[in-house]
Amino acid sequence: GAVVSQHPSRVICKSGTSVKIECRSLDFQATTMFWYRQFPKKSLMLMATSNEGSKATYEQGVEKDKFLINHASLTLSTLTVTSAHPEDSSFYICSARAPLERVWGGYTFGSGTRLTVV
Amino acid sequence: ELKVEQNPLFLSMQEGKNYTIYCNYSTTSDRLYWYRQDPGKSLESLFVLLSNGAVKQEGRLMASLDTKARLSTLHITAAVHDLSATYFCAVDKTSGSRLTFGEGTQLTVNP
Repeated sequence: GAVVSQHPSRVICKSGTSVKIECRSLDFQATTMFWYRQFPKKSLMLMATSNEGSKATYEQGVEKDKFLINHASLTLSTLTVTSAHPEDSSFYICSARAPLERVWGGYTFGSGTRLTVV
Repeated sequence: ELKVEQNPLFLSMQEGKNYTIYCNYSTTSDRLYWYRQDPGKSLESLFVLLSNGAVKQEGRLMASLDTKARLSTLHITAAVHDLSATYFCAVDKTSGSRLTFGEGTQLTVNP
């Protein structure tokens, strides 16, 4: 139980276009979801915390207008990379905190999205 | 600011050998997590450690937590090639808040 589904798994887009990544909690409600970015052979870097029904909280240095986060329901958060450029190419991972009663209260992660901007 | 440090960052070991990965964190924390990541994949949960002295084991991996020393260890027993992956520890300062990750330990188990 406590599954997070992330789509798409891979996307290639042209510079200047926008890309939307979806993160869904399949069998539980997630009031808070997290969006991470990971560069090759590096650790996960938290970009923002997505809160259902309110504005996301962005980490220092993350451009709010570049990385738009929407958490319109208790099971869906989306990350839109706007006007993508090659430097936005990366591995993006979403996460949600599983309910204490479902697993062991740990964080569960989506399968990740490999974004390549050409 | 909560900091999490892992060592070693790179570990190459032979099958059948034992080794330990260390994870130090800088401030009091509710929980410590261990994750595995295979190349090109997302994170797989291994352990969550909730209290001082907690020890959990799954197969050839055993994790422990010493909250007084702010140290967790991930011990590998009789390593096999399938354990080759990157291992991350992570801490959240308060339950449900953001996770802070260590740099990761890239483990390679050689035949």
